[in-house]
Amino acid sequence: EAGVAQSPRYKIIEKRQSVAFWCNPISGHATLYWYQQILGQGPKLLIQFQNNGVVDDSQLPKDRFSAERLKGVDSTLKIQPAKLEDSAVYLCASSPGGKETQYFGPGTRLLVL
Amino acid sequence: AQSVTQPDIHITVSEGASLELRCNYSYGATPYLFWYVQSPGQGLQLLLKYFSGDTLVQGIKGFEAEFKRSQSSFNLRKPSVHWSDAAEYFCAVGARSSNTGKLIFGQGTTLQVKP
Repeated sequence: EAGVAQSPRYKIIEKRQSVAFWCNPISGHATLYWYQQILGQGPKLLIQFQNNGVVDDSQLPKDRFSAERLKGVDSTLKIQPAKLEDSAVYLCASSPGGKETQYFGPGTRLLVL
Repeated sequence: AQSVTQPDIHITVSEGASLELRCNYSYGATPYLFWYVQSPGQGLQLLLKYFSGDTLVQGIKGFEAEFKRSQSSFNLRKPSVHWSDAAEYFCAVGARSSNTGKLIFGQGTTLQVKP
């Protein structure tokens, strides 16, 4: 069974530029999560989708971050414009739903200069 | 407020020695708990999870964890550490009453293994 796929793996941009990350969850998983993991910290949930609807985006900085999950499968997370403090690893996870185990992708490491 | 604390930021053990990583939580609801491991440049891999029932749970790679409600703890243990266990370990907690599956993660414990 293929795992959660993410791209790109690494991205370096300058502040005020925009960037987008892509996630392809495990086939059949209804729930998709985006986490931000700052160096030295645990992952923090940014947004959670159930199929193509948003369940929780309470910690998403909506003035600069946006995410979508069209057709309830792939998802993209965008930052526009980026700030220095957005430097982090962005992890995508998926689960069959509810309180089932979340399976994580390898992450996208973002450096904002 | 809901929180998860991993008191040890960094732990060093000798190969073959026993290991215990601590996790304490503060949660208003009945929790369910996970331990994940993250190797450098990798995503998080599930080690084990507790939902209900037997409070001692077995996981992969010889790890086990014990849920102690009275102490609000879910410590991870391994009787004999291997060099390949060097990684970062995260404890995560969710609310059993919630349908969303939202997890709160601790800040992680980095394990170094000495030869």
